[in-house]
Amino acid sequence: QVQLQESGPGLVKPSETLSLTCTVSSSSVRTHYYWAWLRQSPGMGLEWIASVYRSGDTYYNPSLNSRVTISIDTSKNQFSLTMTSATAADSAMYYCARIRVTSSGYGDSFDIWGQGTKITVSS
Amino acid sequence: QSALSQPASVSGSPGQSITISCAGSRSDFGNYNLVSWYQQHPGKAPQLIIFEVTERPSGVSNRFSASKSGNTASLTISGLQAEDEADYYCCSYVHSPAYYVFGTGTKVTVL
Repeated sequence: QVQLQESGPGLVKPSETLSLTCTVSSSSVRTHYYWAWLRQSPGMGLEWIASVYRSGDTYYNPSLNSRVTISIDTSKNQFSLTMTSATAADSAMYYCARIRVTSSGYGDSFDIWGQGTKITVSS
Repeated sequence: QSALSQPASVSGSPGQSITISCAGSRSDFGNYNLVSWYQQHPGKAPQLIIFEVTERPSGVSNRFSASKSGNTASLTISGLQAEDEADYYCCSYVHSPAYYVFGTGTKVTVL
């Protein structure tokens, strides 16, 4: 079945750039789905960060828009996230996920998730 | 966009039914019936249990059902079982611009 696997540095220093990659297996990022990054701070709820479509179209959470870039690499079957100017508030579990597409073409829900990668921002 | 409002905790005895509410504004839900629900066990990734307000993915128990009325969505768990003890999150998709807003989360305890 389709699997997503996040990879990241684990520890990032304040003010540095955080880079995450999600590798998709048993499916192609070229299929008719959106792909997303989300995060969950310790003991807190879920937050959508950004989404990307196979065409390269991108969508961002306005609260993070200025610091975040999502991209897709169809040759590697991966998609990635970079977040600049990291602070302690960015410490969280980061998940990549697939977004299912409705019959009307909207990406409505996150139907497959990676296991998550923990990111700590600390000096 | 602020988070959708869910009760912090709901509890019930085995076999009972419980309902979790998810309240937002008209702008949180838009004109689209694109509400989803997720179950998250401790230390695990969330799992989709409801999409498009009422639909269950293949493999999800029919003890989970959901609905939406006005600006409030609801998830009902019938025949509560010990394995249902988890955190539950609602989520709404809003188009133009594309945006996903999650609920605050509800911890379900099976007594």
